[in-house]
Amino acid sequence: SFVLTQPPSMSVAPGQTAKITCGGFTPGLKNVHWYRQGPGRAPSVVIYYDSERPSGIPERFSGSNSGNVATLTISRVEAEDEADYYCHVWDSYRTLPMFGGGTTLTVL
Amino acid sequence: DVQLVESGGGLVKPGASLRVSCAASGFNFGGSNMAWVRQTPGQGLEWVSSIDSTGDYVFYADAVKGRFTISRDNTRSSLSLQMSSLRGEDTAVYFCVREGDRYRYGEDPFDFWGQGTLVTVSS
Repeated sequence: SFVLTQPPSMSVAPGQTAKITCGGFTPGLKNVHWYRQGPGRAPSVVIYYDSERPSGIPERFSGSNSGNVATLTISRVEAEDEADYYCHVWDSYRTLPMFGGGTTLTVL
Repeated sequence: DVQLVESGGGLVKPGASLRVSCAASGFNFGGSNMAWVRQTPGQGLEWVSSIDSTGDYVFYADAVKGRFTISRDNTRSSLSLQMSSLRGEDTAVYFCVREGDRYRYGEDPFDFWGQGTLVTVSS
């Protein structure tokens, strides 16, 4: 298996762009998913299958997966984007779901 | 609307057993793979166990293998996690989650989450 690595924290000013990375998975693995978790809330999907947005998620949220690093990009950051963000990918055998350690996004 | 409602959490002593359950509604429960994910207070997410839609295939994280048992009742749209030999490190919020259904198993996101039930293991 592998360990998914995310930066523990990130701070951005409103209107700027936040890029949260998730690395360490087997090169070529597809279908990285991203979750947002506000204080006291359950996680919810913001990006799935590397780059798709569920209905209701603003276009400001986008995702990419190249090699063994996936990136969640939040453009024109707003105060409401302040939350913890986690990446998730299944292992090569499709039996073990792995989570990154999470990134706390602070909007200055 | 999809709803996943967990119950059964509480305070137990080390070595004790506890069963947490999840009542599902608003989707085809019998056609969905399900899982439990936990979160230690203030920490990250940790997958605990998964079960396929029929209940024939179950998977466990190494940390709980041999101590936890996942099961489901498709006639009642319910998911359960029987936990035994509980340890302090099992203290966490336990989330009931549904696995997306684009693939048969092992590539989808956890697209719906319950609000979680807190299990505290302490003497």
